[in-house]
Parts: sequence; C-alpha cells; structure tokens
Amino acid sequence: GAGVSQSPRYKVTKRGQDVALRCDPISGHVSLYWYRQALGQGPEFLTYFNYEAQQDKSGLPNDRFSAERPEGSISTLTIQRTEQRDSAMYRCASSPRSLGTGPYNEQFFGPGTRLTVL
Amino acid sequence: KQEVTQIPAALSVPEGENLVLNCSFTDSAIYNLQWFRQDPGKGLTSLLLIQSSQREQTSGRLNASLDKSSGRSTLYIAASQPGDSATYLCAVRHLGQNFVFGPGTRLSVLP
Repeated sequence: GAGVSQSPRYKVTKRGQDVALRCDPISGHVSLYWYRQALGQGPEFLTYFNYEAQQDKSGLPNDRFSAERPEGSISTLTIQRTEQRDSAMYRCASSPRSLGTGPYNEQFFGPGTRLTVL
Repeated sequence: KQEVTQIPAALSVPEGENLVLNCSFTDSAIYNLQWFRQDPGKGLTSLLLIQSSQREQTSGRLNASLDKSSGRSTLYIAASQPGDSATYLCAVRHLGQNFVFGPGTRLSVLP
C-alpha cells in the first residue's frame, strides 16, 4: 500500500475485554514499531520488530500487553483485560531498515487507533 | 534516561510570520533527530531528519538545526501559512535504540 495502515481507527470497549489492534506496514519495510500517545503528549515507545522477531518490548507497560508479527509483515498489538488507563491513541510506524544499520532510518507513521475503555 | 522537551507548548502567529520551534534533550550522545508534523486524525508526517554529524537540514520553507553539544534543535518555518497549523514533534534516537519524543508544540497560523 501507499502508507502504513491501522485498524480499527476507533475502538470503544468495556473494561475487562480484550482488544486487538492491527498494523499493516509499508510493503518491504523491515522494522515495525508500536507507540502509545496520550492526549497532549508525544508518542511513547512500546515495542518493535525486525522482520518477525520482537527486538525490544521494554516499553510494554505490563503483561496484559503483547504484540506479534508472525510473518514479518502485519502486526497485532493485543491488550488483555483492558482497563480505563489503557485509553489512548495507539500508533504504529515502519521503517525500511533495522535500527542501527544506518542513519537514514526514517519512521513512517500510520493514522493510529483511538482506544477508549469505558 | 533521555528526556525531550519542547518550548513553547503552544504558539499562535499571524500568517506570513517567520517562527522558531525549540527542542531540547538531556543526553547529547544522540544518533539522529527527527522533526514530525501531527495533524488531528492523521498519523505523524516526517519533516526533516538530521544526523548527529550534521548541523542543519532544509526542506522548502523549513530549516532544522542541531547543536548536539548543547542538546538543542530548532525548527525554523519561514513565511508561515494557515496550512502549517499542526502539532510539531521532535524525536531523538541513540544508536540501536528507539526514538524518544518530545510533547510537541501546537502551532496555529491565523489568516
């Protein structure tokens, strides 16, 4: 596709439910990143993948959060037993190269998924 | 731990003015710095990427400078237009690590 796409764009769920957020990166991009953005703040790193390997998950806030990228393309961020504090914009980005393989490693962002937990 | 701040938090200027947005970071050992634009309901759009060895980058009416030793970057917007209204974010990266974002500056350019 032309850019990074995310679905759904908006998700409203009740506390305690599980949600799955999808990211479809730019075709051929090696790296994929997940961020969470609170209102009025910059994006906060959650996790990233090189191909299908999860390289860093240090930003995941707790074990209710998990992510996968089984075939090295589409990724899913899953939040189990959602809580109201999980409400935020969840952003995905991709880049053509792996981190550390060169300086010109620009990130391209998707439109985000707005999650609201009631 | 790297911390990134942006001043001002919000800025409102009349159309045609030149303006400067500031970004500061606490750990100067960065690999690169990237400026983004964020529009409501849309993703972040990359504006300029500056490597640690560079002093500035230019794209159209935008000029970004980097002073790594002092932990500062500025984004200069010339002849501002209402279409420039958006939130501007800077993000810094260390080698092999992910971007750390600032909170952004919300810009309004009034016609």
